[in-house]
Amino acid sequence: NAGVTQTPKFRILKIGQSMTLQCTQDMNHNYMYWYRQDPGMGLKLIYYSVGAGITDKGEVPNGYNVSRSTTEDFPLRLELAAPSQTSVYFCASSLMMGRSNSPLHFGNGTRLTVT
Amino acid sequence: AQTVTQSQPEMSVQEAETVTLSCTYDTSENNYYLFWYKQPPSRQMILVIRQEAYKQQNATENRFSVNFQKAAKSFSLKISDSQLGDTAMYFCAFMKHPNTGTASKLTFGTGTRLQVTL
Repeated sequence: NAGVTQTPKFRILKIGQSMTLQCTQDMNHNYMYWYRQDPGMGLKLIYYSVGAGITDKGEVPNGYNVSRSTTEDFPLRLELAAPSQTSVYFCASSLMMGRSNSPLHFGNGTRLTVT
Repeated sequence: AQTVTQSQPEMSVQEAETVTLSCTYDTSENNYYLFWYKQPPSRQMILVIRQEAYKQQNATENRFSVNFQKAAKSFSLKISDSQLGDTAMYFCAFMKHPNTGTASKLTFGTGTRLQVTL
């Protein structure tokens, strides 16, 4: 039972480089999310998706792009890495349950350093 | 917009003792959820407990319980019989009740680092 899987666990980028953070879930969840966690801070929402083909911006979307071609995968793309994007990135998913709500299931995070 | 405030950056408690972590929030919503998440050094985010705003009864999960004061917009976490494994960052989080088809977006506080000592 893998849950939410993120790769890589760690990455160091040079300024201006690009990369994709991978996220996949095997729980058939409708909703997926990307958060970033800066040192000493809580998590802030970057992008989210309510289903395949549908994505929307969160609080801090600038400098990122996402896609949701399948229910399982929700990659996060950094096109021109900047030092301000040094952070720990968390992917999460949840299941729509009618009028109730299921909790978010988080991956183990990707620590990204941009130098 | 919602805000979540955790005013205790760090706390310490001895093993087997009880500790209470504070959280306040600000919202104009009437129907929402509140959560406490635990983040141990492994970085994993683990749901500890959640509370639906329409429920007056405080949620409990084994050694974890909350004191939910809706009028005061306060949501504290009490950990009883603290264990070394409770050492972690604890985040309070708010989510307004999602409409069908909308996502469950969480707003997090800045966290409280809890150290359980012998």
